[in-house]
Amino acid sequence: QVQLVESGGGVVQPGRSLRLSCAVSGFTFSSYGMHWVRQAPGKGLEWVALIWFDGDNKYYADSVKGRFTISRDNSKNTLYLQMNTLRAEDTAVYYCARTPYSSGFYPPDYWGQGTLVTVSS
Amino acid sequence: QSALTQPPSASGSPGQSVTISCTGTSSDIGGYNYVSWYQQHPGKAPKLMIYEVSKRPSGVPDRFSGSKSGNTASLTVSGLQAEDEADYYCSSYAGSNNVFGTGTKVTVL
Repeated sequence: QVQLVESGGGVVQPGRSLRLSCAVSGFTFSSYGMHWVRQAPGKGLEWVALIWFDGDNKYYADSVKGRFTISRDNSKNTLYLQMNTLRAEDTAVYYCARTPYSSGFYPPDYWGQGTLVTVSS
Repeated sequence: QSALTQPPSASGSPGQSVTISCTGTSSDIGGYNYVSWYQQHPGKAPKLMIYEVSKRPSGVPDRFSGSKSGNTASLTVSGLQAEDEADYYCSSYAGSNNVFGTGTKVTVL
């Protein structure tokens, strides 16, 4: 069955960096686009970034553009989110999620369980 | 891109129906038939309940149905059960962006 497992979350000071990973199984990873979506404590879902199946096209929400970088390693079935210059408002549970197609901004179908990032001094 | 608008809360007694609206614009909901609905229980990941406006993934009860009219999509839960109490979010393809709804908390009275 389809599985997405995030890791790499934790407590980090403002201005520092963190890299999240998402290991997938149960489907052909290299055929699907992938999202990162976050949810601040007690808040709604916020789209963060999208990468197409081949990694050639990447898109970001304005709130993270220039600070976050999405990438993937199709040989390792793994999605990444490099987060730099973290701010308190980046505190959230970060979910990786699959798009139902190889490219395009289609809403996700499968989601991971999430990893919590807390930005605090 | 602004979030899609949902009512903050909705409620119904067991066995009744509840309908949640999700209002966008002609650039998202109104322009494409790619609206999805997610159910999220506390501390859990979102779960896909409806995709492409009205299609149900395998395993989702047929008590859940979706529709769209103009710039507004709707999710109806018929025959409410205690386990349907959760937060629900809509999402729509928006061309060069992905947008989620503000979320609706459904309470089973």
